[in-house]
Amino acid sequence: GDSVTQKEGLVTLTEGLPVMLNCTYQTIYSNAFLFWYVHYLNESPRLLLKSSTDNKRTEHQGFHATLHKSSSSFHLQKSSAQLSDSALYYCALSDGATGGNNKLTFGQGTVLSVIP
Amino acid sequence: AQTIHQWPVAEIKAVGSPLSLGCTIKGKSSPNLYWYWQATGGTLQQLFYSITVGQVESVVQLNLSASRPKDDQFILSTEKLLLSHSGFYLCAWSHTGEDTQYFGPGTRLLVL
Repeated sequence: GDSVTQKEGLVTLTEGLPVMLNCTYQTIYSNAFLFWYVHYLNESPRLLLKSSTDNKRTEHQGFHATLHKSSSSFHLQKSSAQLSDSALYYCALSDGATGGNNKLTFGQGTVLSVIP
Repeated sequence: AQTIHQWPVAEIKAVGSPLSLGCTIKGKSSPNLYWYWQATGGTLQQLFYSITVGQVESVVQLNLSASRPKDDQFILSTEKLLLSHSGFYLCAWSHTGEDTQYFGPGTRLLVL
């Protein structure tokens, strides 16, 4: 079945340093989409990024990620971390299968802690 | 704009007692609906999905059931809670045929 791996459980960064959260995946479906969701404390998880076509960068709110099918990766990056970026980040995969169930397979999540 | 509500926010329940968690979506007709669950220290996994009223499909067997009595309502329930049911329950919706899902605030459940 599908799987998503986020290697780091916790990433602690000093404000202003670049952010990189790793996400790799496995799926047999060529139409799979990858997502990054951000979950702030006491809020709903919300969509941060959705993958575009292979090797194309997608950006939102200062974050960016590029789907690389050759390496099955969709790493999340930001040039300069801000204190307000501290949250739980999930990488998720939708296999794009038809039939109505747009099932998301989640990684374990990475807590990003940005310190002054 | 669409809004999604879940209730209760949190529950502490005894093993063997019944459970009912609710989810309501406003501002969107005929959404696809989903229940997800995360055990403490675990990852989010999909439990159920529903494409239309009255139709619910199970994805993972956890001695839970789900129903969709109205277009905008999704209920998760069980007659007898187990300790292993503790965790965080999330409801989500999507437009029909689209991959992007939108999540509710979740319900934290502790079974003692």
